[in-house]
Amino acid sequence: DSGVTQTPKHLITATGQRVTLRCSPRSGDLSVYWYQQSLDQGLQFLIQYYNGEERAKGNILERFSAQQFPDLHSELNLSSLELGDSALYFCASSVGEGNYGYTFGSGTRLTVV
Amino acid sequence: GESVGLHLPTLSVQEGDNSIINCAYSNSASDYFIWYKQESGKGPQFIIDIRSNMDKRQGQRVTVLLNKTVKHLSLQIAATQPGDSAVYFCAEARTGTASKLTFGTGTRLQVTL
Repeated sequence: DSGVTQTPKHLITATGQRVTLRCSPRSGDLSVYWYQQSLDQGLQFLIQYYNGEERAKGNILERFSAQQFPDLHSELNLSSLELGDSALYFCASSVGEGNYGYTFGSGTRLTVV
Repeated sequence: GESVGLHLPTLSVQEGDNSIINCAYSNSASDYFIWYKQESGKGPQFIIDIRSNMDKRQGQRVTVLLNKTVKHLSLQIAATQPGDSAVYFCAEARTGTASKLTFGTGTRLQVTL
């Protein structure tokens, strides 16, 4: 157990729907990162939050949004889902803004049918 | 654009032998590099990191070598074990910017008995 908790582990939904993925960072970590991993692809950075504020954005679609709450958990919202959004979504956390040795969660596998 | 790539998508190694996984990066401004291991159904796990002011760093059974001249990174695993079978990713970052890691596409290490 890495200490980063992601729920749900698996999610199957239909095209056009909206889902919310949840992440609880490791105790003491203030930064949360979201990454997308498509089949046979590397990890693509989506977005970073630090202590409730957005810090960096990567290749995140406009249909996707995220937030970090006062208790530091984070949610990634994916809307108007398309088949191509099927992927593993990982959350990672670190102590500060400039820490790169992330701790990753086990991921949420999203399947859009 | 910036990219981090891997020379070999799959590497088969006999148990007990040493493994070498290679990675090329294109961004000369990158000054921090990490190797992650991802086992099936799990999130990436931090293995070892190295900063650009170093050429070599050793951990337990692992060594990372950095050649900045040719923008090359390698991970050496000594006495490879079946438990080392996984996908290995290199990642790079530029410290001082948003703490986003750019990941390579991964190399699958298969350990044969």
